[in-house]
Amino acid sequence: EDQVTQSPEALRLQEGESSSLNCSYTVSGLRGLFWYRQDPGKGPEFLFTLYSAGEEKEKERLKATLTKKESFLHITAPKPEDSATYLCAVQATDRGSTLGRLYFGRGTQLTVWP
Amino acid sequence: GAGVSQSPSNKVTEKGKDVELRCDPISGHTALYWYRQSLGQGLEFLIYFQGNSAPDKSGLPSDRFSAERTGGSVSTLTIQRTQQEDSAVYLCASSPDGVGYGYTFGSGTRLTVV
Repeated sequence: EDQVTQSPEALRLQEGESSSLNCSYTVSGLRGLFWYRQDPGKGPEFLFTLYSAGEEKEKERLKATLTKKESFLHITAPKPEDSATYLCAVQATDRGSTLGRLYFGRGTQLTVWP
Repeated sequence: GAGVSQSPSNKVTEKGKDVELRCDPISGHTALYWYRQSLGQGLEFLIYFQGNSAPDKSGLPSDRFSAERTGGSVSTLTIQRTQQEDSAVYLCASSPDGVGYGYTFGSGTRLTVV
């Protein structure tokens, strides 16, 4: 079974304190790696897609990077409104009819306090 | 509306009863997915519909679970003879073509079996 592992499970940062979240994966063929943000009581909201090692994407204070076996979500000078659970998911190339399926990690719960 | 709509938002049912959860995807999206999210767990894939193809049911946990998609639009997830372990948030997502980039999630149905 494919595995997506996220660390840490929870992270508390002071406002302005930069850090990184990790997502490691073990699919044999990667179609894409996805980052989502999930607020309490809501469904996940799409942030980024990364397709190949070395690729980077940025959005406001967030930057996602990808290597052959892991991805990092860097948060620069976070604000309290960045508090959420960040989910990583992978889509594999070798799943036949389940090409659309995403395999999710358990998420990192980020809390940014003023 | 513009997003994925799920109903009801909350459902409390007695053990042994049947429940139906509804998902209205974004108009024109050919792919529709159901996931389940339990406390402290990652999103668990349940079923995937893509156009007129046979659905991928490989994630359904038991034969008490079934789903249908009528007219390529609305989908209903049915759980028969509910058990306490079925308590979770059931999330529906749709995408234009089954690629993770286009996944849009609904806010979910929180199911509690008492």
